[in-house]
Amino acid sequence: GDSVTQMEGPVTLSEEAFLTINCTYTATGYPSLFWYVQYPGEGLQLLLKATKADDKGSNKGFEATYRKETTSFHLEKGSVQVSDSAVYFCALSDGGSQGNLIFGKGTKLSVKP
Amino acid sequence: NAGVMQNPRHLVRRRGQEARLRCSPMKGHSHVYWYRQLPEEGLKFMVYLQKENIIDESGMPKERFSAEFPKEGPSILRIQQVVRGDSAAYFCASSPPGRDPRSGYTFGSGTRLTVV
Repeated sequence: GDSVTQMEGPVTLSEEAFLTINCTYTATGYPSLFWYVQYPGEGLQLLLKATKADDKGSNKGFEATYRKETTSFHLEKGSVQVSDSAVYFCALSDGGSQGNLIFGKGTKLSVKP
Repeated sequence: NAGVMQNPRHLVRRRGQEARLRCSPMKGHSHVYWYRQLPEEGLKFMVYLQKENIIDESGMPKERFSAEFPKEGPSILRIQQVVRGDSAAYFCASSPPGRDPRSGYTFGSGTRLTVV
């Protein structure tokens, strides 16, 4: 079945460092891809999405490009802030009409001042 | 313009008791999804409902779990005779009618259930 694999955390960076969180997927059909962010004690917020190959999603300085040839959707940010500390989840829609999401296990990011 | 509202935020139940989790979707949204997050895991789909209809319950455990979304009022996820393994965060999400759900939806802040 469809699945999402994320790099394991935790990831600890200094403020203003470059961030990459790897995400690869396995899917039949043509899924939509998402990054969600979960701040401590809160629910998930949609960070960005891409619905077809070569699309780039971007928001709040974060970017990810839908790479069909490598089945990847890596999250990047050029300069992280302490406020970016959170758990980041990569997810895909299962391609069916129901829109159910399949999530990776999440990557915890800690940014130190 | 309130988002997806879940209550309670925290719920403690003894083994064998019932847990009721409530979800009020965003205004104008008629599609509700429930997900469960076990410790150190990603979210797992449980059930997808529209008003008065269960559309997909393929992720629901076969026993003790049920969900409803009545014509009036919030969606309810009900867990009977809870066990320690039910301890998790339960998230609700909603989306409006007519929008392709594959474009993503809005999550609530979750209910953290602890079974003691």
